[in-house]
Amino acid sequence: AQKVTQAQTEISVVEKEDVTLDCVYETRDTTYYLFWYKQPPSGELVFLIRRNSFDEQNEISGRYSWNFQKSTSSFNFTITASQVVDSAVYFCALSEANNNDMRFGAGTRLTVKP
Amino acid sequence: DAGVTQSPTHLIKTRGQQVTLRCSPKSGHDTVSWYQQALGQGPQFIFQYYEEEERQRGNFPDRFSGHQFPNYSSELNVNALLLGDSALYLCASSLLGLSYEQYFGPGTRLTVT
Repeated sequence: AQKVTQAQTEISVVEKEDVTLDCVYETRDTTYYLFWYKQPPSGELVFLIRRNSFDEQNEISGRYSWNFQKSTSSFNFTITASQVVDSAVYFCALSEANNNDMRFGAGTRLTVKP
Repeated sequence: DAGVTQSPTHLIKTRGQQVTLRCSPKSGHDTVSWYQQALGQGPQFIFQYYEEEERQRGNFPDRFSGHQFPNYSSELNVNALLLGDSALYLCASSLLGLSYEQYFGPGTRLTVT
């Protein structure tokens, strides 16, 4: 069965600090997709990134970077030089190729203080 | 190009009542999935509809039912509401077989009192 664990319930940092959000997943499928979403107080899920299981290249997008390691079943998300606007709940999610049930972690609430 | 829309935005119901939530998929999409997000938790898959039929269902009781119309829009119905049904209900649309490319709507926040 697929499972996503985000062990960090809440993280608080001061602006300009770097912060890493952890995500560990479980799946028996060889083909799957991993996601990160941001959920601001408004509630809408904002898509950040999708990676498939065959592409372990790390990715950088501005201040955001993602580290995908199949050996440890982890897909961690780092925000560099955090800003107050980064404050939100962040969800890691897993979607298996033949399963329509996208499985989300419990989320990590990030608070960036000025 | 309109994205996924949901209505209403907010809803307050009383325990025991029934509720209907609505979703219009992104233009060109034919598949709709529904998720429940309780406070402090991640979204949980309720079910998915394609061609007006339920294709897959998560671990939710029969009180939760759905419908998809020929224009691909969808409804989520919840009967005999419980306090625990209070949550944000998210709709996501995609093309059949491409559930990894789901687009989420803004959600409907349901409060059961």
